[in-house]
Amino acid sequence: DVKVTQSSRYLVKRTGEKVFLECVQDMDHENMFWYRQDPGLGLRLIYFSYDVKMKEKGDIPEGYSVSREKKERFSLILESASTNQTSMYLCASRRGQTTEAFFGQGTRLTVV
Amino acid sequence: DQQVKQNSPSLSVQEGRISILNCDYTNSMFDYFLWYKKYPAEGPTFLISISSIKDKNEDGRFTVFLNKSAKHLSLHIVPSQPGDSAVYFCAASEGDSWGKLQFGAGTQVVVTP
Repeated sequence: DVKVTQSSRYLVKRTGEKVFLECVQDMDHENMFWYRQDPGLGLRLIYFSYDVKMKEKGDIPEGYSVSREKKERFSLILESASTNQTSMYLCASRRGQTTEAFFGQGTRLTVV
Repeated sequence: DQQVKQNSPSLSVQEGRISILNCDYTNSMFDYFLWYKKYPAEGPTFLISISSIKDKNEDGRFTVFLNKSAKHLSLHIVPSQPGDSAVYFCAASEGDSWGKLQFGAGTQVVVTP
């Protein structure tokens, strides 16, 4: 059974804190992604990685960075959390271009 | 600029009837399309997909139709069941893009008894 696991279901952080969201997949997928979901906006791509230590900006990378030191793990970093980063964060992995992407259960982040 | 659009934010349908969800896209390079279902506080789960070389794909109660000339796809759910109440996202990807998916805004489906 394939699995993408995000480290936290719910997080509450203060404005200005550095926040780490962790994601691990057990499918040996090359491609991993971080999305955020907001009402009326769907899922928007923040960053993605197609190999270890490789990363590319998505559509909304401002205020975020990522790290991929091992194939199975992809971390999203909020350098200095702000209230407009309150959102549902979703990690996904995908093997190639013509297969489905598998998602983690999501992290509901609230920045106060 | 959103490349994948779902113009209906919500849909209400009676149990047993057909649900039709629509999706439009602007990028003619998209060659693979997917539908996902999402419950609150959970990650999206894959439903069905279609390659651009096909115009129809069926899996049980779910059928996806692709009209490339109109840049339009639709998802049919027959018959609709109460457990189908969820948000449905349309997604698309193109070759040479490392598999990244572009998503629509989603359609909230409510199936009533």
